[in-house]
Amino acid sequence: RKEVEQDPGPFNVPEGATVAFNCTYSNSASQSFFWYRQDCRKEPKLLMSVYSSGNEDGRFTAQLNRASQYISLLIRDSKLSDSATYLCVVNTGRDDKIIFGKGTRLHILP
Amino acid sequence: ETGVTQTPRHLVMGMTNKKSLKCEQHLGHNAMYWYKQSAKKPLELMFVYSLEERVENNSVPSRFSPECPNSSHLFLHLHTLQPEDSALYLCASSQGLAETQYFGPGTRLLVL
Repeated sequence: RKEVEQDPGPFNVPEGATVAFNCTYSNSASQSFFWYRQDCRKEPKLLMSVYSSGNEDGRFTAQLNRASQYISLLIRDSKLSDSATYLCVVNTGRDDKIIFGKGTRLHILP
Repeated sequence: ETGVTQTPRHLVMGMTNKKSLKCEQHLGHNAMYWYKQSAKKPLELMFVYSLEERVENNSVPSRFSPECPNSSHLFLHLHTLQPEDSALYLCASSQGLAETQYFGPGTRLLVL
């Protein structure tokens, strides 16, 4: 099993819809989790950290499920500008090692 | 806008050239990273420096040589590269290891 796995997509979603995708991780000792957003030909930028209690930032909600070892990202009322690749990032807990997932491509359709 | 800058933004080099990529962070962070991102591939961590000491080297070929003269600057020296080394090279920094990383805009490298 890969250390961090994401569905590469693409997810093609109509504007205004709700979309969610997950990221699974293999190391149960993983300590911290992040979602990054990367636009085409640009650098990754932090979207949000993922806390044990879950967190919400406007239309974005991130949740952590330790029992099943996955994190999720929910985007409500999607906008055209949400089109990007969303990268899951996990601190595996071993020597503070951070692993990036391959990313999930999201296309919001007008 | 960004606290992490990289130069040059674009670089074309021949296989016999020697060049260097520069990264500078203005965030007061203690850790810096080099990543490689090839087309349709995930980010690959190359090197990690913490407090100017290399803490990780992920089996990167010796034709890539990092240098961290101080906590604000990170270089990647390139020599005798191969065409398959063409990629986007991203620098990042974080306050401590495994904390939130902030990325520079990257250097897009083409090796001919």
